[in-house]
Amino acid sequence: RKEVEQDPGPFNVPEGATVAFNCTYSNSASQSFFWYRQDCRKEPKLLMSVYSSGNEDGRFTAQLNRASQYISLLIRDSKLSDSATYLCVVSYYGGSQGNLIFGKGTKLSVKP
Amino acid sequence: GAVVSQHPSWVICKSGTSVKIECRSLDFQATTMFWYRQFPKQSLMLMATSNEGSKATYEQGVEKDKFLINHASLTLSTLTVTSAHPEDSSFYICSAISRDYYEQYFGPGTRLTVT
Repeated sequence: RKEVEQDPGPFNVPEGATVAFNCTYSNSASQSFFWYRQDCRKEPKLLMSVYSSGNEDGRFTAQLNRASQYISLLIRDSKLSDSATYLCVVSYYGGSQGNLIFGKGTKLSVKP
Repeated sequence: GAVVSQHPSWVICKSGTSVKIECRSLDFQATTMFWYRQFPKQSLMLMATSNEGSKATYEQGVEKDKFLINHASLTLSTLTVTSAHPEDSSFYICSAISRDYYEQYFGPGTRLTVT
């Protein structure tokens, strides 16, 4: 079983749509959780950290359920510029000062 | 935010040759650098972790004699792919962290094609 599993995608949605990505992780010792965004042929960039209490950054909301080992990302009012691959990432260390374990990613394509 | 550069951004080489990829932290001192590899439609996989002035720690399944890592200074780490083969063709990405930054900062990646 892979350490981090994500929806296979791709997700093709119209502008303005709300889209949700799910992710599960296998190691209960995981300490830190993140969503990264990766554009085609580019490096991943941190989108947001994920906290147990849930957190929001503008149109993006992330949730963590430690009991279910489940992480989610909700994007509201999708923009064309949101088109990218979204990577679910966990770490066994606090913060990101340690080895990151990446999911395969879910590709999002927002159409006009 | 912190900036990490990689050079070259892409390289094509012949089978059997060696290729060196540089990773530099431009505006901070990187206590640790990580090297990742990403095959098409696959996740980034950590290859090795390197701390300045010490030997790199390789992940299981990564050949340390094939992928030579040198972290000679706080701003530079190099990855040398020795005797490259077509199956080594991949996207190689480095990242760097320091005591001052919470986040791992990624370089733009190097696309290696071995013919």
